[in-house]
Amino acid sequence: GAGVSQSPSNKVTEKGKDVELRCDPISGHTALYWYRQRLGQGLEFLIYFQGNSAPDKSGLPSDRFSAERTGESVSTLTIQRTQQEDSAVYLCASSLDFFGDKINEQFFGPGTRLTVL
Amino acid sequence: AQSVSQHNHHVILSEAASLELGCNYSYGGTVNLFWYVQYPGQHLQLLLKYFSGDPLVKGIKGFEAEFIKSKFSFNLRKPSVQWSDTAEYFCAVNSGGYNKLIFGAGTRLAVHP
Repeated sequence: GAGVSQSPSNKVTEKGKDVELRCDPISGHTALYWYRQRLGQGLEFLIYFQGNSAPDKSGLPSDRFSAERTGESVSTLTIQRTQQEDSAVYLCASSLDFFGDKINEQFFGPGTRLTVL
Repeated sequence: AQSVSQHNHHVILSEAASLELGCNYSYGGTVNLFWYVQYPGQHLQLLLKYFSGDPLVKGIKGFEAEFIKSKFSFNLRKPSVQWSDTAEYFCAVNSGGYNKLIFGAGTRLAVHP
């Protein structure tokens, strides 16, 4: 596609339920990132994928959070037993892969606004 | 841990006023610096970036930023803002491996006609 897409755009769930958020990166982008933006705060890094593997998961806030990527394309971020503090906008970005010291521009999707009641 | 500070959370200007948004980062090694912008209802998009070389970087829509290593700063400037510059602006830093970005909290800019 022309850009990064995410679904759903909005998700309202009850505390304790599991949710899945989806990201479709730009075709050919091997690097994929998940960020979280809580109200009034900047973006927090969650996880980075290089192809289908995740060499950096350092930003996942707890073991309730997990992510996978298949076929070097779609990625799913899963939050189990959601809590109210998980309410945020979850943003996905993709880029050509990091190589040496060359940094490539990250292209962001529109985000999924998650509200946990 | 690396951190990025944006000093102004909300800025209100009139059209044609000059703009300077502050950004300071905590990392002392080699850094790559970015400013992203999010216009109302749109995705985050890259405004400009600094990797190396000339510390004065020019971006889209007349924006520029200056990397001052001794001050750990990368302030964003525009000599004359327009109503269409109303948006949220994020400073971000990358260092070390991967493309992981560390973002500041953002500055909401409102430009009144």
